[in-house]
Amino acid sequence: GDSVTQTEGLVTVTEGLPVKLNCTYQTTYLTIAFFWYVQYLNEAPQVLLKSSTDNKRTEHQGFHATLHKSSSSFHLQKSSAQLSDSALYYCALSDGDYAQGLTFGLGTRVSVFP
Amino acid sequence: GALVYQYPRRTICKSGTSMRMECQAVGFQATSVAWYRQSPQKTFELIALSTVNSAIKYEQNFTQEKFPISHPNLSFSSMTVLNAYLEDRGLYLCGVRDWGNYAEQFFGPGTRLTVL
Repeated sequence: GDSVTQTEGLVTVTEGLPVKLNCTYQTTYLTIAFFWYVQYLNEAPQVLLKSSTDNKRTEHQGFHATLHKSSSSFHLQKSSAQLSDSALYYCALSDGDYAQGLTFGLGTRVSVFP
Repeated sequence: GALVYQYPRRTICKSGTSMRMECQAVGFQATSVAWYRQSPQKTFELIALSTVNSAIKYEQNFTQEKFPISHPNLSFSSMTVLNAYLEDRGLYLCGVRDWGNYAEQFFGPGTRLTVL
């Protein structure tokens, strides 16, 4: 079956320093799309980044990620973490036709400290 | 913008009883509704996917007999947890895809189920 593995547990980072969350996957889908969702306390998960193009960098709100099919990865990075980035982050795999449900990673909690 | 509401936000039920939860898309028409459960210490597991003009597809370990779903129109879906037990506790999310932007799933805030 399909699976997503991401940096587990808690990642703490000092404000202004870079942060990176790893995400790798295994899939039987012939075409895929990938998402990073962010979930703030007591809110619904919302899309932070998405990509279906191999080796193309995608950016949003200072975060960036590149889908690398050769290494089955879609790592999330930010060069300068902000206090407001403290949240839960989920990596999620979709089929390329967007016809199926999503397969989520376990989630990573990011805490940014001053 | 696309909004997804879920009701109730929290519910408590006795072991062996059933409870129903609802998912409402506002401002757009849903091409599909996916129901997920997040159990303690686990990620979001897909329960079932309901797509317009198709039968509801349940994932392994989830059945229609346990989690019957109703999807009567393009903006509303409900799911019932029948005979709830401790292992059914968790956060139930619905993810909705928009006809006009089906690449993304928009999530509701979830229904948190506690089983006593």
